[in-house]
Amino acid sequence: DGGITQSPKYLFRKEGQNVTLSCEQNLNHDAMYWYRQDPGQGLRLIYYSQIVNDFQKGDIAEGYSVSREKKESFPLTVTSAQKNPTAFYLCASSPGQSSIGDEQFFGPGTRLTVL
Amino acid sequence: AQTVTQSQPEMSVQEAETVTLSCTYDTSENNYYLFWYKQPPSRQMILVIRQEAYKQQNATENRFSVNFQKAAKSFSLKISDSQLGDTAMYFCAFSDYKLSFGAGTTVTVRA
Repeated sequence: DGGITQSPKYLFRKEGQNVTLSCEQNLNHDAMYWYRQDPGQGLRLIYYSQIVNDFQKGDIAEGYSVSREKKESFPLTVTSAQKNPTAFYLCASSPGQSSIGDEQFFGPGTRLTVL
Repeated sequence: AQTVTQSQPEMSVQEAETVTLSCTYDTSENNYYLFWYKQPPSRQMILVIRQEAYKQQNATENRFSVNFQKAAKSFSLKISDSQLGDTAMYFCAFSDYKLSFGAGTTVTVRA
């Protein structure tokens, strides 16, 4: 079955540590996205990539980094520079490189908690 | 990011009844799309319905329909014949070249 997988489901990090969240898709989609979800707020865009080896900052990119070396993979690193990283992180993908009407397909999410 | 406002944090509806969720947005663009996404307790985001700004006809998907008022920048979602499985958080989203989400409305369907 085609879809998006995120791992791990739950992740715990000590303050000062970097941590990488995995996102893989087998939908053959060009575009991939990372969102952060906090209680009482909608999803906020961290980074997005419309093609391999290229990505752009979203609205809240500070303290995060990404790479897009393969079409199917878009890992997110939460660095120690991120002041409040505890949140629910969602990865998504969509078919086209710049089609504004495309549906985004979401993964199951990763819950990150900083201890 | 574009501003998307959902003014109802929570709503409750009896099974089989109808509920309407409101959404307003702010943009100077003419070409855009609007979406409603559903996030059930499993937290898996699912597309409910999509509307292109150039289309005057309101989108409908089974029991879900929208009232799109472009001049008023309003995009409400109506859920008819509510079912227990409709219990979820619903997000309104605006797309020009990327998605901007509202804060969400939690809908609880009572048996």
